[in-house]
Amino acid sequence: QSVLTQPPSASGTPGQRVTISCSGSSSNIGSNTLNWYQQLPGTAPKLLIYNNNQRPSGVPDRFSGSKSGTSASLAISGLQSEDEADYYCAAWDDSLNGPVFGGGTKLTVL
Amino acid sequence: QVTLRESGPALVKPTQTLTLTCTFSGFSLTTSGMCVSWIRQPPGKALEWLARIDWDDDKFYRTSLQTRLTISKDTSKNQVVLTMTNMDPVDTATYYCARERVITGGVDFWGQGTLVTVSS
Repeated sequence: QSVLTQPPSASGTPGQRVTISCSGSSSNIGSNTLNWYQQLPGTAPKLLIYNNNQRPSGVPDRFSGSKSGTSASLAISGLQSEDEADYYCAAWDDSLNGPVFGGGTKLTVL
Repeated sequence: QVTLRESGPALVKPTQTLTLTCTFSGFSLTTSGMCVSWIRQPPGKALEWLARIDWDDDKFYRTSLQTRLTISKDTSKNQVVLTMTNMDPVDTATYYCARERVITGGVDFWGQGTLVTVSS
């Protein structure tokens, strides 16, 4: 049971916009910044969004993040087949004194 | 260019101690705000943070595994070592080392990971 809650799956067709939610509590998302990671099949995760809504260099602007209260979301616009991957949210948890991850969302491009 | 590489045994027996080494380049663990974490991922499951060591030698451990984990660093060799005692089959996972920076609020670079199987 992950501390941060994500839907196990999401899907969309090429060109569509999809969003993935991440829900937490006051001890994690509510009081700390949130990161999103993309894990392509058989590879290590890669940083996609940091500090709630910042993109590292090289990440397309099709990817965007937002946070409100104890929830956050990742939006992917102009969906492409190469976006098919697992997506994880993560945030520091003040009660556990360490970072916590969501359970991951498997994105399928139909 | 930031790189991290995990090394260690692919197979350990139950009750044995696992020792994993992370060798990194492209940054220094003596730089303020720099940290290295270990994170694991059981096959088909989610990511699970294990431990972190900071530039100032502060250490943080997953509460549920605290008694089994030890993290240390050798800044002269650019290495971070994780030991996990009393290994069990449920500890079978891909183990990643990763760089964290305070300014990015978490991990920003990951190693490729190393699969550790616990079996007799």
